[in-house]
Amino acid sequence: DQQVKQNSPSLSVQEGRISILNCDYTNSMFDYFLWYKKYPAEGPTFLISISSIKDKNEDGRFTVFLNKSAKHLSLHIVPSQPGDSAVYFCAASVGGGADGLTFGKGTHLIIQP
Amino acid sequence: DAGVIQSPRHEVTEMGQEVTLRCKPISGHNSLFWYRQTMMRGLELLIYFNNNVPIDDSGMPEDRFSAKMPNASFSTLKIQPSEPRDSAVYFCASSSFRQVNQPQHFGDGTRLSIL
Repeated sequence: DQQVKQNSPSLSVQEGRISILNCDYTNSMFDYFLWYKKYPAEGPTFLISISSIKDKNEDGRFTVFLNKSAKHLSLHIVPSQPGDSAVYFCAASVGGGADGLTFGKGTHLIIQP
Repeated sequence: DAGVIQSPRHEVTEMGQEVTLRCKPISGHNSLFWYRQTMMRGLELLIYFNNNVPIDDSGMPEDRFSAKMPNASFSTLKIQPSEPRDSAVYFCASSSFRQVNQPQHFGDGTRLSIL
């Protein structure tokens, strides 16, 4: 029973355009959400997070939106760059991150030149 | 700043052998997590520690798996005896639970192959 779902295994976007990665969750107890980026043979790298008391958090080219009523979050990357090509994982936690993370299966983002 | 350090990076061993994976968390972090990544199940939490004390080990698949954290700067994950289905990438992560909403930082993982 997957509590965090990323329904798009892959996404191809042209360089300079917006990349939108989506994530859905089922556990209403989740209160802290994170996005990680992963390159092959490396560990996941923290990108951006959002607490359940907010609906938007921005950091440079990266913005995360949270819709609690729909149990949905999304990551927007604007503009997309070749170095953004990687696997992106959505993760969620109960207790403000103090507990372990529940991960989605990931979305492979490919930025086309 | 040094990140989370895991060793070895790769381990190939035969079925039935004991395997020990090691992790050094980021200095000052007081929570440590072990995850496993497989094609079938993705990234899943195995166990985590707060202040060196195991808090939740419900993700540990079998009694063949054990984890220890003897001090704030070192943790081990042991598999004895190992089986081919244990082949996966094992990640260690650390964070600080003194403040809420702190992200976990991951090491580069140990790729384990059991023949």
